[in-house]
Amino acid sequence: GAVVSQHPSWVICKSGTSVKIECRSLDFQATTMFWYRQFPKQSLMLMATSNEGSKATYEQGVEKDKFLINHASLTLSTLTVTSAHPEDSSFYICSAREQGGNEQYFGPGTRLTVT
Amino acid sequence: DQQVKQNSPSLSVQEGRISILNCDYTNSMFDYFLWYKKYPAEGPTFLISISSIKDKNEDGRFTVFLNKSAKHLSLHIVPSQPGDSAVYFCAASVGSQGNLIFGKGTKLSVKP
Repeated sequence: GAVVSQHPSWVICKSGTSVKIECRSLDFQATTMFWYRQFPKQSLMLMATSNEGSKATYEQGVEKDKFLINHASLTLSTLTVTSAHPEDSSFYICSAREQGGNEQYFGPGTRLTVT
Repeated sequence: DQQVKQNSPSLSVQEGRISILNCDYTNSMFDYFLWYKKYPAEGPTFLISISSIKDKNEDGRFTVFLNKSAKHLSLHIVPSQPGDSAVYFCAASVGSQGNLIFGKGTKLSVKP
C-alpha cells in the first residue's frame, strides 16, 4: 500500500517551453501533497505544499508563477514548470500524505533536463 | 544555513558489521526525526522515525538514537547487508505533520 507514482520519469525539453509533471497517490487519498527539488549531491528541498482544493503554499525563494501547482483531486497533483530554463534542470520529487497521517510517501521522481 | 546536517557524504562498511550514520540539527524546535533510504532514480522510502520524547527506537536491524542535548541522532544498521547500499537521508520536522527538512544524505556502501 501507500504507492505514489510520478509521470513522466524523465523529460527533456527546450528552453522556453513548459513541462507538466503528474503526481498520483494510487491506493490512498492524499489530502496533502508536497513538491521537492533535488540538485546533485544536495538535499531534497521543499518547493511547495498543496492541499486538495486550495492554493499551494510556496517556500521562500520559489516563484509561484514559474512553478504552477494544481491539486484538483485527492489523488492527483501536478507541477508545471513554465518557461523552463537550463537552471531548472533537476530531479523533482513529490510526496503525499493522507488525512490524519504522519508519513509522507514519496514518488519515484522526475528527471527534468532543459536544453 | 542548513538546519539538518549529515557531515559524512559517504560510508563504506563490510557486510555483517554495523553501519552508523550520523545527523546533526540546529533548530531546537524540531521534535520529530526520520530516516529515509533512497536508491538512484527513485524517491526516498521511509525507514524509521523517532519522536523527541524518546531516545531510542528500534525496528528490526534498524535503530535510531536521539541525543537531544547534543542535537544529534544516529541510525544504526546491524548486521549490514549489501542490499542496504543506498543514500540515507535524515529529516526533521516540527511536529509529526510539519514540513520535512532534509540533510544532504550519506551514501552507504556495504561490501560483501
